[in-house]
Amino acid sequence: GAVVSQHPSWVICKSGTSVKIECRSLDFQATTMFWYRQFPKQSLMLMATSNEGSKATYEQGVEKDKFLINHASLTLSTLTVTSAHPEDSSFYICSSPTGGNSPLHFGNGTRLTVT
Amino acid sequence: GQQVMQIPQYQHVQEGEDFTTYCNSSTTLSNIQWYKQRPGGHPVFLIQLVKSGEVKKQKRLTFQFGEAKKNSSLHITATQTTDVGTYFCAGDFGNEKLTFGTGTRLTIIP
Repeated sequence: GAVVSQHPSWVICKSGTSVKIECRSLDFQATTMFWYRQFPKQSLMLMATSNEGSKATYEQGVEKDKFLINHASLTLSTLTVTSAHPEDSSFYICSSPTGGNSPLHFGNGTRLTVT
Repeated sequence: GQQVMQIPQYQHVQEGEDFTTYCNSSTTLSNIQWYKQRPGGHPVFLIQLVKSGEVKKQKRLTFQFGEAKKNSSLHITATQTTDVGTYFCAGDFGNEKLTFGTGTRLTIIP
């Protein structure tokens, strides 16, 4: 089946630094990638939708200049958390549709801790 | 906006008892999906329901999609300790984006 590979699985960084998270579709072309964030004991909240070759669409309340999304190819979408702060510590997870009425395929998620 | 509510938020059951979580959408869904997330893990896809009134079973799990395609339920018969986790419904409003429910955290008392 379709596989989305997400890296890193966990990362610890210092406040003020930037962190890049990658999601790769291994056996299908991901024209769209959804990026979710999950704070501890909460649900997954959609942050943004990236489309290959065009600008990402951000959900209300998500700062596009802080969460930079790039979808330069059909197999790679990246999310960069810029100038990270402790409140950005969260679980970030990507997912991609494979067409039709098929369920989304999720990456394994990235647990970000900002110290 | 498009919202998906889920109840209860928490459920503690004795091992062997049944468990049900309910999901309600503010508007009609294209389809609904159910996920299970273990503590520290990522959501794992369980099932997708597409048709009005659809019922699907997976061993001890029974999933239902309402006639109006606005509500859904997950029922687990005779819970086991391996059923521990948070169960999320996620609604697709027709744009392939998933709006996740608030989740129901299931704990099992051995």
